[in-house]
Amino acid sequence: AQSVTQLGSHVSVSEGALVLLRCNYSSSVPPYLFWYVQYPNQGLQLLLKYTTGATLVKGINGFEAEFKKSETSFHLTKPSAHMSDAAEYFCAVLVAGGSYIPTFGRGTSLIVHP
Amino acid sequence: GAGVSQSPRYKVAKRGQDVALRCDPISGHVSLFWYQQALGQGPEFLTYFQNEAQLDKSGLPSDRFFAERPEGSVSTLKIQRTQQEDSAVYLCASSLEYRGPPGELFFGEGSRLTVL
Repeated sequence: AQSVTQLGSHVSVSEGALVLLRCNYSSSVPPYLFWYVQYPNQGLQLLLKYTTGATLVKGINGFEAEFKKSETSFHLTKPSAHMSDAAEYFCAVLVAGGSYIPTFGRGTSLIVHP
Repeated sequence: GAGVSQSPRYKVAKRGQDVALRCDPISGHVSLFWYQQALGQGPEFLTYFQNEAQLDKSGLPSDRFFAERPEGSVSTLKIQRTQQEDSAVYLCASSLEYRGPPGELFFGEGSRLTVL
């Protein structure tokens, strides 16, 4: 079985501050991991993904995430928050060899203060 | 179109009514997913199609929910005798891949269903 836990339903940062959104997964086999972003009244869009290879993954809009197997984590970071980063962020996990159906976390709302 | 299109964007139904939600995926995308997103929650899996075949419907919450994709492109999610707990945003996503390392899911903007 696969699952993902996102710690913190809301994260509030000041503009220019570091963004850290946490995601931990549970999977009995090596997972594929994703971060999606959802802006108000829009569909989810892919920020970045980890499948194989390099554990530090860079995505769009300056975001990156690191796959840490020992910690079963895939936290999302950005060095400097921008007002336009305010959105809902979802972590998702998918297990190879199965039905390839992603399981999503509950989401973290990122609030950016001027 | 360029992206996944869902209609209607908003639907208000009286309890007991039947509703049908449409998803038009990106042309050529093999895989199609339906998810349900309750307020303040993440997307919850409902069902998955590979072309016209419904390979997994384990997430459908009851037999009032039915989905089809008869020609392997447009899909319809039907909810019979709607209940208040069915109120949610229904998301459709499509993907080009159906095996091997997974790629990106492309999501529509969703259909927001409110059951009164």
